[in-house]
Amino acid sequence: EPEVTQTPSHQVTQMGQEVILRCVPISNHLYFYWYRQILGQKVEFLVSFYNNEISEKSEIFDDQFSVERPDGSNFTLKIRSTKLEDSAMYFCASRGGQSASYEQYFGPGTRLTVT
Amino acid sequence: AQSVTQLGSHVSVSEGALVLLRCNYSSSVPPYLFWYVQYPNQGLQLLLKYTSAATLVKGINGFEAEFKKSETSFHLTKPSAHMSDAAEYFCAVGTSGTYKYIFGTGTRLKVLA
Repeated sequence: EPEVTQTPSHQVTQMGQEVILRCVPISNHLYFYWYRQILGQKVEFLVSFYNNEISEKSEIFDDQFSVERPDGSNFTLKIRSTKLEDSAMYFCASRGGQSASYEQYFGPGTRLTVT
Repeated sequence: AQSVTQLGSHVSVSEGALVLLRCNYSSSVPPYLFWYVQYPNQGLQLLLKYTSAATLVKGINGFEAEFKKSETSFHLTKPSAHMSDAAEYFCAVGTSGTYKYIFGTGTRLKVLA
């Protein structure tokens, strides 16, 4: 069964450093998402991406964040200058169809620890 | 704006007992609703989804949920809890436009032997 993959599974970085989180969505999917989950809290939407551009972003997704689909398979989330409060689990998700009934498929997540 | 409320951040049941996890939604349009499960240190796995085809939805691992428009609810149930059901459960509503999810705060299910 096709699945969403994410690398690395765990990333430790120092405050102020740039990090890139990588995701490989399911190959024929059209919509891509990043969510984050701060420890003990709910899953929060960060950004959606469709047709090679951001379609929606939350207030969390400020100028320090960017997303890119550099080739036909990878979908990346970059944090330019990490802060302590960026420590969280980051989930990538993808979905296939244009109807709202299509569910999202989530990757296993990348745990980001900012020290 | 759409939202989801999950009542009870922690629920404990005995093995073999009924599992009931509550989810209420708010939406001005017919909602698409989803239940996901998260096992420790893992990602989110779809349990079931409501897409208006049927109000009683059956999912994986013996779970089901009933959509009740009059009560704006989509509670998750399982007749008999198993130890392996211990996990965190998230209810989510799919929004129009970009179809992003808005998640509830989650319910951690503990199953007692």
